[in-house]
Amino acid sequence: GAGVSQSPSNKVTEKGKDVELRCDPISGHTALYWYRQSLGQGLEFLIYFQGNSAPDKSGLPSDRFSAERTGGSVSTLTIQRTQQEDSAVYLCASSLAGTAYHTFGSGTRLTVV
Amino acid sequence: DQQVKQNSPSLSVQEGRISILNCDYTNSMFDYFLWYKKYPAEGPTFLISISSIKDKNEDGRFTVFLNKSAKHLSLHIVPSQPGDSAVYFCAGKSISGSRLTFGEGTQLTVNP
Repeated sequence: GAGVSQSPSNKVTEKGKDVELRCDPISGHTALYWYRQSLGQGLEFLIYFQGNSAPDKSGLPSDRFSAERTGGSVSTLTIQRTQQEDSAVYLCASSLAGTAYHTFGSGTRLTVV
Repeated sequence: DQQVKQNSPSLSVQEGRISILNCDYTNSMFDYFLWYKKYPAEGPTFLISISSIKDKNEDGRFTVFLNKSAKHLSLHIVPSQPGDSAVYFCAGKSISGSRLTFGEGTQLTVNP
């Protein structure tokens, strides 16, 4: 597609449930990133995929968070046993290999009640 | 540790005047800096960047200045327009990778 597509745009879930967030990057972009923005905060790095290399998971806040990228394209971020502090906007971005220019999706607003 | 810091949560200017947004960083390994603009309910969009080997980059109404010795950069918007009202994020990229480290953002309001 022309841009980075994320779904759903909004998700309300009960505490303790699992959620899956989806990101469809720009075609041809080999790098894919997940960030999150909590209320009043900047963007916090979560995880980075580059081609077939092992992902950089150094930003994942706990082992309840995981992500995969199938076929070098679509990525899914999974949060297990959601907690209220997981409430945030989750942003996906993609870029060409070796460049810093991220193109962001519109994000998924996750609310844990 | 807060490697990129934007100390002003908000800034209000009159239309036609200059807007100056500031950013400080601590990581000496940053080799590239970027500014992103974010409207509500949208993802951040790239605005302008600067390499660490430069001290100025200009693109139309937008100019970014980098002072490496002070570990400080600023974004100048002149003349400011009401459509520039948004949250502006400063970000640094380390020489060792392509992930970005963002500041907290500054809400710019340009009053007509």
